Formats: sequence, structure tokens, C-alpha cells
Amino acid sequence: DAGVTQSPTHLIKTRGQQVTLRCSPKSGHDTVSWYQQALGQGPQFIFQYYEEEERQRGNFPDRFSGHQFPNYSSELNVNALLLGDSALYLCASSLEGGEVLSDTEAFFGQGTRLTVV
Amino acid sequence: GQNIDQPTEMTATEGAIVQINCTYQTSGFNGLFWYQQHAGEAPTFLSYNVLDGLEEKGRFSSFLSRSKGYSYLLLKELQMKDSASYLCAVPVYYGGSQGNLIFGKGTKLSVKP
Repeated sequence: DAGVTQSPTHLIKTRGQQVTLRCSPKSGHDTVSWYQQALGQGPQFIFQYYEEEERQRGNFPDRFSGHQFPNYSSELNVNALLLGDSALYLCASSLEGGEVLSDTEAFFGQGTRLTVV
Repeated sequence: GQNIDQPTEMTATEGAIVQINCTYQTSGFNGLFWYQQHAGEAPTFLSYNVLDGLEEKGRFSSFLSRSKGYSYLLLKELQMKDSASYLCAVPVYYGGSQGNLIFGKGTKLSVKP
């Protein structure tokens, strides 16, 4: 059973460009959350998607947007990239109503390393 | 608000024992996670504590005291491959059954021969 998968694994973009990152949740999971981890910091919550809508959002500007598809996969879009957006972007999935640890947002995909130059 | 504190860096010797501390302040408590993260890689789950006490899992153990807002991760028989960052995290819930995680900044552990 595949866990959370993310694509691409690495990406280099130029300042001012736009980027789309993708996440496929663990089979059976319906909720997807995105995190940004800058070098030397802990991951920071960006937003969470459930039933194709943004349910909760962290302290990130509107340049960060997302989408969830009917199959529960999700995209993270970042517009007008800044050098400071260079980071590891992590996706975690979970199951609404889930009660066991494996259905919580405890397990991450391998991440996408975004470098803005 | 939520706040999590852990030491920035620690150094230990191969074969030794090291304890990494984490203190937290949260509105409500829904458990505490520990993760290991090697450089350039995603965090991997180590442990989850929701009740007070020590949970042992091989060379790694995690302790929680809810009344003190305190947890530690204990690593025994240190190996070179244990050199990594260790992240403490607590979940917060805004509605729905699935919350998001608030992380500390991580403790970078260096294991020396």
C-alpha cells in the first residue's frame, strides 16, 4: 500500500515564476495538508484540504493556493515566487473520522525540494 | 497560542545515551509526536505519546508529562546513523477530526565516533 507520494522531488524556478506541486494521499485518506520547511526550521503548516475545500490555513500569503480533486489528490500552487520560498514542501494525508494513528496526519510524503533562483 | 521549545543542537558519542527535551504550551492537548529527519529528507515518524509515562520502542523511548508540558526523546546505544534532526510536534484541531501539526524548530544531533 503506497503511502503519501509527492511530485516532483526537486524543482528549480526563477523568481517571479509560478509553481505547482502535487500530492497523492495514502489510499483511503480524504484529507490533505501542506507544510513548508525552510532550512534549519521545523515544518510550518500552510493549509489543509477536505472535501475539495480549504478547511484551515496557516500564516501564509495569498500567493499560496491549493486545490483538492475528487480523487482526494491535491496541488499546491505558489505564484510570484520569491527567493524566500525556497524550501522543502511536505504533504501529509489523513482520514476524517479516523481514530487510529495510521489515519492521522502523522506521516509525510518524501517532499518536494523547491529552489528559487 | 501554541509554543514548542527544544534545544537547537546536541552532540553525543557513539554508543552513549542522549536525551532530547521538548517543552510545549498549547491550548488543549491532543498528544505529542517525535520525528527524525535526516538532512534533505522528509520527517519520519518515531513516536506518539498521549498519556503520561515512558513508551519504549527499541533503542528509542519517549516520555511525556502533561502536567509539566514536557516530553523527552531518549536514544540509547547511539549509532552514527542517528545523526539527524529530531522534531517535536503537537496537533491542533480547529474543527473536524483531523488537525494539523505545530512543530518545534528541531534539535540537530551530531553523533561522534
